[in-house]
Amino acid sequence: QVQLQESGPGLVKPSQTLSLTCTVSDGSITSGGYYWSWIRQHPGKGLEYIGYIYYSGSTYYNPSLKSRVTISVDTSKNQFSLKLTSVTAADTAVYYCARDKIDQLVLGYYYYYMDVWGKGTTVTVSS
Amino acid sequence: DIQMTQSPSSLSASVGDRVTITCRASQSISDYLNWYQQTPGKAPKLLIYAASSLQSGVPSRFSGSGSGTDFTLTIGSLQPDDFATYYCQQTSSTPYTFGQGTKLEIK
Repeated sequence: QVQLQESGPGLVKPSQTLSLTCTVSDGSITSGGYYWSWIRQHPGKGLEYIGYIYYSGSTYYNPSLKSRVTISVDTSKNQFSLKLTSVTAADTAVYYCARDKIDQLVLGYYYYYMDVWGKGTTVTVSS
Repeated sequence: DIQMTQSPSSLSASVGDRVTITCRASQSISDYLNWYQQTPGKAPKLLIYAASSLQSGVPSRFSGSGSGTDFTLTIGSLQPDDFATYYCQQTSSTPYTFGQGTKLEIK
């Protein structure tokens, strides 16, 4: 069963760059049929979709964060990463990585759902 | 962006009860609707995808229905592990958006 694990600093200073890595184990990031996604959850709040990457390198970013976000993939390490620049206290959240399955349930129609999640990592932005 | 609105925001129920949670989209999303369960301190867990398809390993007391703008998640007979927060998510168009969550508490 594929497992995901987030890693990175738990504390980032305002205006700096938040960098997180998600390591994929017991499965290959290049197996196809999946996007590899980042989602965050502000303290006590709901879920916000940040963006995804395909193993080929194609990406999607939420327009609300697009100017500050970069998601990259390292297939040799079976990892994908998130960078968020110019952080503020509003970026304090639990960050999750997830596997986003691309499922053609009906010919020509693709469904997307996050079937495997990492445990999440808390990132606090504070000086 | 498509807005997803869940109701109620919180709900008290007892073990054995049948409960229904509603999710409404601000525009038609066909059946591009997923449901997740989250317990405190844990990552969300996929329950239902494509509005009504049960994820492998999820108990059959969970079911989903709906199409267009209105969807429901039903738990047939509440078990102690079911007390959690539930989120709907639309994947009809980007950015994929979630409902605000429904917290299911023990009465």
